[in-house]
Amino acid sequence: ETGVTQSPTHLIKTRGQQVTLRCSSQSGHNTVSWYQQALGQGPQFIFQYYREEENGRGNFPPRFSGLQFPNYSSELNVNALELDDSALYLCASSLAGGNEQFFGPGTRLTVL
Amino acid sequence: GENVEQHPSTLSVQEGDSAVIKCTYSDSASNYFPWYKQELGKRPQLIIDIRSNVGEKKDQRIAVTLNKTAKHFSLHITETQPEDSAVYFCAAPKGGNTPLVFGKGTRLSVIA
Repeated sequence: ETGVTQSPTHLIKTRGQQVTLRCSSQSGHNTVSWYQQALGQGPQFIFQYYREEENGRGNFPPRFSGLQFPNYSSELNVNALELDDSALYLCASSLAGGNEQFFGPGTRLTVL
Repeated sequence: GENVEQHPSTLSVQEGDSAVIKCTYSDSASNYFPWYKQELGKRPQLIIDIRSNVGEKKDQRIAVTLNKTAKHFSLHITETQPEDSAVYFCAAPKGGNTPLVFGKGTRLSVIA
């Protein structure tokens, strides 16, 4: 059984640029959720994907978008980056209808 | 929607003493309450969880208690060790299902 993986581990961008983060879910898990964790804060829910469709969204603007692929892996895209987007981005996989979520190692995004 | 509050924000204990972290939630439909441990620079790791049909669950030195009437749940760590030092997050499901709404975290320091 493989765990949740994310790439890249670190990323530095400048304001206004676009970024794509990637996540591979744990073996057997078909649901992926993305969270943003600012320094010193708890993770904040961005959105969730199930069967390649968005299945719930938190309080984030439309410039945060995502995809899920047939193999359940997922991407998080952020357009028009702002300084406040600097954070650790975590994805978590779970089974549909299940509660347990298992997190990947995260991508540390720095926006200059 | 769900609102989760966590106390205290920081906690220092002597090695061997017990530590208790408390959380309250707002959505009476929530039925799953996990606790995550996050070490510096690492992913949140699920350490214990409890469902609403039980009042207490133990796993070695860690226990979680749930009071559904009062809408609060607590993490208890006994015989604390230096490696227990980390940030601990409680969470509850948004809308009674995944994804999760997290508390702001408790930084636990175990002093040898």
